[in-house]
Amino acid sequence: KAGVTQTPRYLIKTRGQQVTLSCSPISGHRSVSWYQQTPGQGLQFLFEYFSETQRNKGNFPGRFSGRQFSNSRSEMNVSTLELGDSALYLCASSWGQGGNSPLHFGNGTRLTVT
Amino acid sequence: QKEVEQDPGPLSVPEGAIVSLNCTYSNSAFQYFMWYRQYSRKGPELLMYTYSSGNKEDGRFTAQVDKSSKYISLFIRDSQPSDSATYLCAMGPGANSKLTFGKGITLSVRP
Repeated sequence: KAGVTQTPRYLIKTRGQQVTLSCSPISGHRSVSWYQQTPGQGLQFLFEYFSETQRNKGNFPGRFSGRQFSNSRSEMNVSTLELGDSALYLCASSWGQGGNSPLHFGNGTRLTVT
Repeated sequence: QKEVEQDPGPLSVPEGAIVSLNCTYSNSAFQYFMWYRQYSRKGPELLMYTYSSGNKEDGRFTAQVDKSSKYISLFIRDSQPSDSATYLCAMGPGANSKLTFGKGITLSVRP
C-alpha cells in the first residue's frame, strides 16, 4: 500500500508570495490533517479535513487555508508568506477522524521563506 | 501545565543499552496512545499504537501505558545505531478532538 505522498519536497519562496502544497493520502483514508513542524515549537496542528469538510482548525492566522477533494487528496495554501512560515509542513492521513485513530505522515514539504 | 510533557533530551546511549522514553499528560480523557519515530529529513513514522492501560510489545520495542499515573513509556531493548532518531509521543482524542503530540526527544545510539 502506498504511503502518504506530499509534493513538492522542497520550496523556496520570498516574503509576500503565496504557496500551495499538495497531499495524497493512503488509499481508503478519508481524513487528512496538516501540521507545521519547527525545532522550537514541535508539531503544531493546522487543520483536519474529512469528507471534503474542515472538521477542526488550529490556532493559525487566516493566511493558512486548505481544502480536500472528493478523492480525499488535499491541498494547503499559505498566502502573503512571512519569514516565520519557514518550516516543515506535514500531511497525515487516517481512517478515522478527530484523534480516534493513528495518523500516518508523509515526508513533508520543507518551505523556506527568504 | 502543558497537556503533554516529554523529556526534552537529547539522549545518548551506547549500542546495546536499554532505552526508556517517557511522556506525562494531564488530560484523563485520553484513550489512544502512540509513539512515532522520525528520522532526519523524514516524516514521523508510527511505531506503536495502544489503547488504554497496559503493555504492548513489538520486537525490541515495548510501549507501556499507566492511566492512573497519566504516564506512558517506550522501552527499546538492545538499542542499535539505526534507532538514532527523534521519538514523539502522541495521545488523544482530547476535548478538541485531535491528537496531542509531545515535543519529541532526540536519541543517539553510539556504536
